[in-house]
Amino acid sequence: KNEVEQSPQNLTAQEGEFITINCSYSVGISALHWLQQHPGGGIVSLFMLSSGKKKHGRLIATINIQEKHSSLHITASHPRDSAVYICAFYSGGSNYKLTFGKGTLLTVNP
Amino acid sequence: DTEVTQTPKHLVMGMTNKKSLKCEQHMGHRAMYWYKQKAKKPPELMFVYSYEKLSINESVPSRFSPECPNSSLLNLHLHALQPEDSALYLCASSQARGGNTDTQYFGPGTRLTVL
Repeated sequence: KNEVEQSPQNLTAQEGEFITINCSYSVGISALHWLQQHPGGGIVSLFMLSSGKKKHGRLIATINIQEKHSSLHITASHPRDSAVYICAFYSGGSNYKLTFGKGTLLTVNP
Repeated sequence: DTEVTQTPKHLVMGMTNKKSLKCEQHMGHRAMYWYKQKAKKPPELMFVYSYEKLSINESVPSRFSPECPNSSLLNLHLHALQPEDSALYLCASSQARGGNTDTQYFGPGTRLTVL
């Protein structure tokens, strides 16, 4: 059984739509990370969450540690939001080894 | 400065060549990482250096040889690679403060093609 599941795998939206990407995990964690990767590009860390909710611009991330679930929301989506969004966390007591979700490919059409 | 830089951006090499990838950060981070990423897959951890010492080697073939000359620099030496080693190689760094909460800062990657 995978330690982490992301859904959906692929998501296509029209500009302006509200987007939700989900991440469920099966192990105890200290924090969860949301990452963004544009096609062919490097990875940008968007959020690191231990509890509750964080907001940065049009991006909102929430986590429920008890339910082992996190969501990433994008309000008023824009074509430049098109990217792969990945959730990740340190597991097994490691301070260095991240377990990555398989990613959600988001395409926002104008 | 929250930037991790990587050179070169693109590299094409033959199976008999020797080349090196370079990564640099000036954030004072004491952990540095090499990842390999194939298309449409998440990154796979290769090596971690913590305080300039090799901390994790994920059973990577010896044709990949990491080096950490100082706390700001990380190299990956490549020799006798195979075509299946073609991938995006990402470098990252983090503070190494422990507690499973370090944010890793990634570089833009080197796109490697092995002919």
